Amino acid sequence: EVQLVESGGALVQPGGSLRLSCAASGFMFDNYVMSWVRQAPGKGLEWVAAITGSAISTDYADSVRGRFTISRDNSKSILYLQMTSLRVEDTAVYYCAKHTMSWTVLEYWGQGTLVTVSS
Amino acid sequence: QSVLTQPPSVSAAPGQKVTISCSGSSSNTGRNYVSWYQQFPGTAPQLLIYENIKRPSGIPDRFSGSKSGTSATLGITGLQTGDEAYYYCGTWDSSLGAGVFGGGTKLTVL
Repeated sequence: EVQLVESGGALVQPGGSLRLSCAASGFMFDNYVMSWVRQAPGKGLEWVAAITGSAISTDYADSVRGRFTISRDNSKSILYLQMTSLRVEDTAVYYCAKHTMSWTVLEYWGQGTLVTVSS
Repeated sequence: QSVLTQPPSVSAAPGQKVTISCSGSSSNTGRNYVSWYQQFPGTAPQLLIYENIKRPSGIPDRFSGSKSGTSATLGITGLQTGDEAYYYCGTWDSSLGAGVFGGGTKLTVL
């Protein structure tokens, strides 16, 4: 059974930093592209970042490029999202998601972790 | 403003059929497969349709997908009150090099 468990969400001040983690199990972690997707309160889904299985390639939404870094530890089956220079508008539930072999399909999602950016 | 365009809401009576549209462009829906996700309030999204028309195991055949040109459509037949949820379309945008979603459609079963 595929499981994705996010952690690390917290209340942080504007300009602060935070690292999210996503522990994966039930599949060959290093074989799959992984993404972070966020959802601001009462809003729709916003894709944030993706990383290939080998971690050779990453992509970012324009809204977070230069501030967020996606990475992975395949030896531990953990996905990370390092967030810096946080803004009020980064407040959201952050989901990690496993792709199928296709970049277009988010097959499994974690339960999400809440990040609140506020003074 | 979402890259993909969905109607904000749709509604229909129990037992009826509803369709939800998703409109994009040549760099996203026109070029790549479209997926659909179902989300109940307070829970994570769940994959409903992938590669335009395919259903993951466990998804009833009341749910169907189609695509023509740059537009995709989710169809739900035999509506049940338990289908009340938000529905999102999503794909990859080859020009942006980014994942994109529609703004979401709230389905109300009257």
